[in-house]
Amino acid sequence: SQQGEEDPQALSIQEGENATMNCSYKTSINNLQWYRQNSGRGLVHLILIRSNEREKHSGRLRVTLDTSKKSSSLLITASRAADTASYFCATAPSGGYQKVTFGIGTKLQVIP
Amino acid sequence: EPEVTQTPSHQVTQMGQEVILRCVPISNHLYFYWYRQILGQKVEFLVSFYNNEISEKSEIFDDQFSVERPDGSNFTLKIRSTKLEDSAMYFCASSLDTSSGNTIYFGEGSWLTVV
Repeated sequence: SQQGEEDPQALSIQEGENATMNCSYKTSINNLQWYRQNSGRGLVHLILIRSNEREKHSGRLRVTLDTSKKSSSLLITASRAADTASYFCATAPSGGYQKVTFGIGTKLQVIP
Repeated sequence: EPEVTQTPSHQVTQMGQEVILRCVPISNHLYFYWYRQILGQKVEFLVSFYNNEISEKSEIFDDQFSVERPDGSNFTLKIRSTKLEDSAMYFCASSLDTSSGNTIYFGEGSWLTVV
């Protein structure tokens, strides 16, 4: 598997339900960031979690990080049709390197 | 919220032509990046730039590519002789530093279509 792989690759839920997306990575990281991308648009930063943090919240978003399993999850609670987008995790390697590696993304569809 | 701005939003160019994509990073940021996303594929790192020089680059960033910060605000990506496979969305990004709390902010992207 590749650095920053999300699963599932596609997820379809009803409005109001929770959406959970997972990300796995291979190397030691400095931090992990989640981004949203609406079709053909830019990457919108959602949340950053440092390697020494285990959980972070921002509004309806909850991110967890398990460095022992090299995995992270993004939970969107009470989903809305406007949450329909692709979601990517991006890992920054430890050691001060600047290259951030993106996963393949999860395409979320929220059905009104 | 401050944002990274990119121009043009879309450019169509003929194979072999030179293209310059422009970016204005967030004003107090020190690190600048270019990424690209071929349609339907992953976002890929191209290059990072700090203190007026390239700090990291990927295998994709070959001699056909160059970056420049011509003044205090702009950051450009030049592709010297475009190929069909250069067709992609190119994202500029910037960050304040490379600490563990470092957020990388992306622009809206420039769609490049090479025909």
